[in-house]
Amino acid sequence: AQRVTQPEKLLSVFKGAPVELKCNYSYSGSPELFWYVQYSRQRLQLLLRHISRESIKGFTADLNKGETSFHLKKPFAQEEDSAMYYCALSGHNQGGKLIFGQGTELSVKP
Amino acid sequence: GAVVSQHPSWVICKSGTSVKIECRSLDFQATTMFWYRQFPKQSLMLMATSNEGSKATYEQGVEKDKFLINHASLTLSTLTVTSAHPEDSSFYICSARDARTGATNYGYTFGSGTRLTVV
Repeated sequence: AQRVTQPEKLLSVFKGAPVELKCNYSYSGSPELFWYVQYSRQRLQLLLRHISRESIKGFTADLNKGETSFHLKKPFAQEEDSAMYYCALSGHNQGGKLIFGQGTELSVKP
Repeated sequence: GAVVSQHPSWVICKSGTSVKIECRSLDFQATTMFWYRQFPKQSLMLMATSNEGSKATYEQGVEKDKFLINHASLTLSTLTVTSAHPEDSSFYICSARDARTGATNYGYTFGSGTRLTVV
């Protein structure tokens, strides 16, 4: 079964500290992995896609097929990074639908 | 960029009545739209996949007769919560997929959501 797991419901760090939001997935095949961010009172926005291998707002994520992980990292957290972060998966045999993880609330304290 | 408009942003209705939520793709055609339900500080739970001109595909455990989905055009999908009850109170979010090559957001654009409160 397809599944996305984000083990941490809340992650609290101080400004300038490194951040790693964990994401593990279960999928039989080659999925597409995404990270979405939802700032307070705003709609869901795409942050990263594993295929693009780019860095957005200082965040990076590497797909590790061996560990079936797609952890989101940032070396120095900023207060404006505080938001809900969702890891999501899309598979070729799923009709394009996105399956989301439970979400991790990142709180960056001054 | 691709924009999805969802309306209304919030609605309060009496128990037993029906509520319709609209999801429109403003500058692109969406052959596929998705409806999600989100509880406070929890994940988005996929309810159904809406395909233009055909019946929606519902996820396991989602009542088809309770949550009616219509995707009559390439830019509009509607979700109707029928005979609403307090337990239907939630945040409903739509997503439209832009099938154009090179689409922004890699194809998935989300609406701003609808807060439904059933009293």
